[in-house]
Amino acid sequence: DIQMTQSPSTLSASVGDRVTITCRASQSINRGLAWYQQKPGKAPKLLIYKASSLESGVPSRFSGSGSGTEFTLTISSLQPDDFATYYCQQYNTYWTFGQGTKVEIK
Amino acid sequence: EVQLVESGGGLVQSGGSLRLSCAASDFTFSNYEMIWVRQTPGKGLEWVSYISGGGETRYYADSVKGRFTVSRDNAKNSLYLQMDSLRAEDTAVYYCVRDRTNYFDYWGQGTQVTVSS
Repeated sequence: DIQMTQSPSTLSASVGDRVTITCRASQSINRGLAWYQQKPGKAPKLLIYKASSLESGVPSRFSGSGSGTEFTLTISSLQPDDFATYYCQQYNTYWTFGQGTKVEIK
Repeated sequence: EVQLVESGGGLVQSGGSLRLSCAASDFTFSNYEMIWVRQTPGKGLEWVSYISGGGETRYYADSVKGRFTVSRDNAKNSLYLQMDSLRAEDTAVYYCVRDRTNYFDYWGQGTQVTVSS
């Protein structure tokens, strides 16, 4: 099974900050990676697919990069609506999620 | 707007059964593969089962293989998850999810399943 490891687990940041979350796969997944945002009591929402493709309707301050085993999600200027938990997911071989990164207010 | 609405969750004793349903609307249901994903505070997000658009191909996570059965009725735009021999560790929020070439573009609101021991 492919394991996905996100870091950090928690991130404290302020509005306007540039935020980067890292996701590592236990083996190469090419570019089969998606990022999701989840708010309390809600379902996850797709942000990025194919490592760097922005889902329709998602603000352009979100971007993704990487391939193989190392990937990043970047929020260029954190907005109040962005405080949430973020998950990476590999879909190269079945599906595995990272454990999540909670972005909280500093 | 695509909608996925789960139902059928609840409280059940260990060893019991539940059947989850998911009603899909505003897209051509038979054209999409569908997934059940569950979430717990401890284990996070975990895919549970997959079914192809026509229902001929099904996959299950090892944790539920032999106990859960996924099915669909394309005429009714509905997805199902029959859960038998339930265990405490199956306690989770279960989401019905649309699969767009292996990543998940629409999620239902989730239904809580609680298995008491």
